[in-house]
Amino acid sequence: GQNIDQPTEMTATEGAIVQINCTYQTSGFNGLFWYQQHAGEAPTFLSYNVLDGLEEKGRFSSFLSRSKGYSYLLLKELQMKDSASYLCAVRDGDYKLSFGAGTTVTVRA
Amino acid sequence: IAGITQAPTSQILAAGRRMTLRCTQDMRHNAMYWYRQDLGLGLRLIHYSNTAGTTGKGEVPDGYSVSRANTDDFPLTLASAVPSQTSVYFCASSRQGSTDTQYFGPGTRLTVL
Repeated sequence: GQNIDQPTEMTATEGAIVQINCTYQTSGFNGLFWYQQHAGEAPTFLSYNVLDGLEEKGRFSSFLSRSKGYSYLLLKELQMKDSASYLCAVRDGDYKLSFGAGTTVTVRA
Repeated sequence: IAGITQAPTSQILAAGRRMTLRCTQDMRHNAMYWYRQDLGLGLRLIHYSNTAGTTGKGEVPDGYSVSRANTDDFPLTLASAVPSQTSVYFCASSRQGSTDTQYFGPGTRLTVL
């Protein structure tokens, strides 16, 4: 099976920056996704990386290093509404999508 | 409607009963998926369909069946529910199948007693 690891929980202060790391070991690689999931709601798509480097989208950025099997999601200028779970998902060589268990981010005032 | 809808929102079910979770999308997406989400385990794929008329097994298919009679609907059936099927179930769809981003429905919270 696939192995996708991310921290269980992180806490940060409003206005700060938080970096959520994701490491993966999969049979082949065809892209990495980040989803945001508020409690009791559906996951919503945040970002997609298939090539090495940084993808920036407003306050959120996602980085990928395929050789290291590593990605991170960077959340800048944290707001209370950013309190949520963040899911890392990797598409393997057979184009199957596997999810990590998610990182719960709590933003404090 | 716009996007993906699921019904019911939540359900409490006696073990041994049959249950069908409904999923409908109006985006004309070709591919649809069923996941279950359990605390600490993340989302796990149950079944998928790359196009109407075809289905495939995911990571945890036992105890579940699906059908894809048309593009819009992808029901998930539990033939004889067991307590280990207590979970939150999410339906998702993507435009062209496994190469595209998946978009999720609001989920069904199922409790089997």
